[in-house]
Amino acid sequence: EIQLVQSGAEMKKPGESLKISCKASGYLFTSKWVGWVRQRPGKGLEWMGFIYPRDFDTRYNPSFRGQVTLSADYSTNTAYLQWNTLQASDTGVYYCVVSGGHWFEHWGQGTPVTVSS
Amino acid sequence: DIVMTQSPDSLAVSLGEWATINCKSNQSVLYSSNNLNYLAWYRQKPGQPPEVLIYWASVRESGVPDRFSGSGSGTDFTLTINNLQAEDVAVYYCQQYLTTPQTFGQGTRLEIK
Repeated sequence: EIQLVQSGAEMKKPGESLKISCKASGYLFTSKWVGWVRQRPGKGLEWMGFIYPRDFDTRYNPSFRGQVTLSADYSTNTAYLQWNTLQASDTGVYYCVVSGGHWFEHWGQGTPVTVSS
Repeated sequence: DIVMTQSPDSLAVSLGEWATINCKSNQSVLYSSNNLNYLAWYRQKPGQPPEVLIYWASVRESGVPDRFSGSGSGTDFTLTINNLQAEDVAVYYCQQYLTTPQTFGQGTRLEIK
């Protein structure tokens, strides 16, 4: 059974940095894309980007390019989403997802991020 | 970017009845080389992450009841839920995965009347 376990809720101030994680199990980590989806409070779903852990090929939604960094560590089957400078508009729930290259087959439980002064 | 528009934004249906949710894309998500529609449907129950129900526009994910069906091609798609159950209360999203960035509809909230 594929499982994606994400790190816990975060509360940060504007300008701070943050790295959240998604630990995968139940499949060969290097065989599927791992991505991230943002859901702002009361809003819909936005795909942020994908990383392929085998070769670290990374695809970003242009709306998020330069704002976040995706990374992965295949020694620990863990994917990461990182911000260098958080803004209040980054508040939301962030889901990691697994994809064979098409639809999102599995979702993590979500990591709530609150950015407020 | 391909824009996905769902209708209605919300609907209330009685238990045992059927619900129909529409999804329209501003350009075709049918890939002519394989004749597949790159369209998925997700359900997000309150307080939970989304989960896939349908992919390739009409293929049910393993474990999804056959009360759920997807149809359509090109730019117009429909998710139909028959014999509505209380557990179907959720927000439903369509998604195109033909082009990057992959995009979602705004969501349709389904409630029990």
